[in-house]
Amino acid sequence: EDQVTQSPEALRLQEGESSSLNCSYTVSGLRGLFWYRQDPGKGPEFLFTLYSAGEEKEKERLKATLTKKESFLHITAPKPEDSATYLCAVLDYGGSQGNLIFGKGTKLSVKP
Amino acid sequence: GAGVSQSPSNKVTEKGKDVELRCDPISGHTALYWYRQSLGQGLEFLIYFQGNSAPDKSGLPSDRFSAERTGGSVSTLTIQRTQQEDSAVYLCASSFTSGGTGELFFGEGSRLTVL
Repeated sequence: EDQVTQSPEALRLQEGESSSLNCSYTVSGLRGLFWYRQDPGKGPEFLFTLYSAGEEKEKERLKATLTKKESFLHITAPKPEDSATYLCAVLDYGGSQGNLIFGKGTKLSVKP
Repeated sequence: GAGVSQSPSNKVTEKGKDVELRCDPISGHTALYWYRQSLGQGLEFLIYFQGNSAPDKSGLPSDRFSAERTGGSVSTLTIQRTQQEDSAVYLCASSFTSGGTGELFFGEGSRLTVL
């Protein structure tokens, strides 16, 4: 059974304090791993897609990396506006192309 | 607007009543998805429409749930004889092609509360 586990559940940082969020996954064949950001009361907003181990993607203060068992979302010098819940999801080659398996998310709070 | 539009944004209903939730996807997007998000839980896949293909209904939790997509555009999710465990935020998303790229555009959701 496909599984996605995110840690920590919650993370509090001071502005400028860099850190990483973890996403561990179990799939029979990884079609893709995706990161989303979700603000309270809003739908998730797409950030990155990673397809193979060793791949990296960057956007502003965020960098996503992928290994065969996990992905990291690195946040460099975060600002208060980076506060949100970050969701990781995977798509399995053996499953429907519409069935993204989501983790429960990491709630990030960045204090000024 | 250019985004995915969902209505109603909030719905309170009594146990046993039927509800309909509507989704207007981004124009030109061929794929449409319904997920639900319960408190403290991850997003749960419900159903996926891709073009004119038969929908993937494998995530629907019971036969009380159904969805249709008319004219390849607007979709309606119907929940019959609602139960308290149906309370959740129902999220609709669309994408330009199939889900393989992972780039889904989500609406803001319909929050359903069953009393």
